[in-house]
Amino acid sequence: NAGVTQTPKFQVLKTGQSMTLQCAQDMNHNSMYWYRQDPGMGLRLIYYSASEGTTDKGEVPNGYNVSRLNKREFSLRLESAAPSQTSVYFCASSPSYEETQYFGPGTRLLVL
Amino acid sequence: AQSVAQPEDQVNVAEGNPLTVKCTYSVSGNPYLFWYVQYPNRGLQFLLKYITGDNLVKGSYGFEAEFNKSQTSFHLKKPSALVSDSALYFCAVRDIKKGTGGGNKLTFGTGTQLKVEL
Repeated sequence: NAGVTQTPKFQVLKTGQSMTLQCAQDMNHNSMYWYRQDPGMGLRLIYYSASEGTTDKGEVPNGYNVSRLNKREFSLRLESAAPSQTSVYFCASSPSYEETQYFGPGTRLLVL
Repeated sequence: AQSVAQPEDQVNVAEGNPLTVKCTYSVSGNPYLFWYVQYPNRGLQFLLKYITGDNLVKGSYGFEAEFNKSQTSFHLKKPSALVSDSALYFCAVRDIKKGTGGGNKLTFGTGTQLKVEL
């Protein structure tokens, strides 16, 4: 039981490049989330998927898109990376949208 | 709108002494409250939560938290700190007011760095 896994662990991009962050969970959870963590700002919700087949914007969705590929997988895409998107990105999942969220190890992204 | 405040960026405590990490919240309805811990270069780990019932909640690694509705606080405590408790601690709140919809939107505080020294 690996819990929540994320790939890659670290990535360097140039401004304007695109990339997809992958997240998968093996806990049969219905809800999944993407957060970014920046110094002094805590975690901010980018997008979430309350259940398979649905996605909704969070607090800071601009510049990102998501896909809930199936119940296990939830990807985050940066179409045209900007330096302001330099951050640590965390994926999380929960059994349902009212229950405790469990986090992956994070992806550290540097946009030059 | 819901919010969480962690008034201390850093808390220093000697090993063996009790520790407290403070958290206050603001919601329009009733709160779900959580504490998470983050070790360097790791994801957040769930420590404990308050949903309803007993105001004193016990969690992992000997931590506990006390819900105080009148003071809108949910302080994290441990009777005897260990060096291995040194980490970044986050408080989070979810407003369980009916009808808000929108999934499990947790609002996190900015984090408190706990440093336990010998």
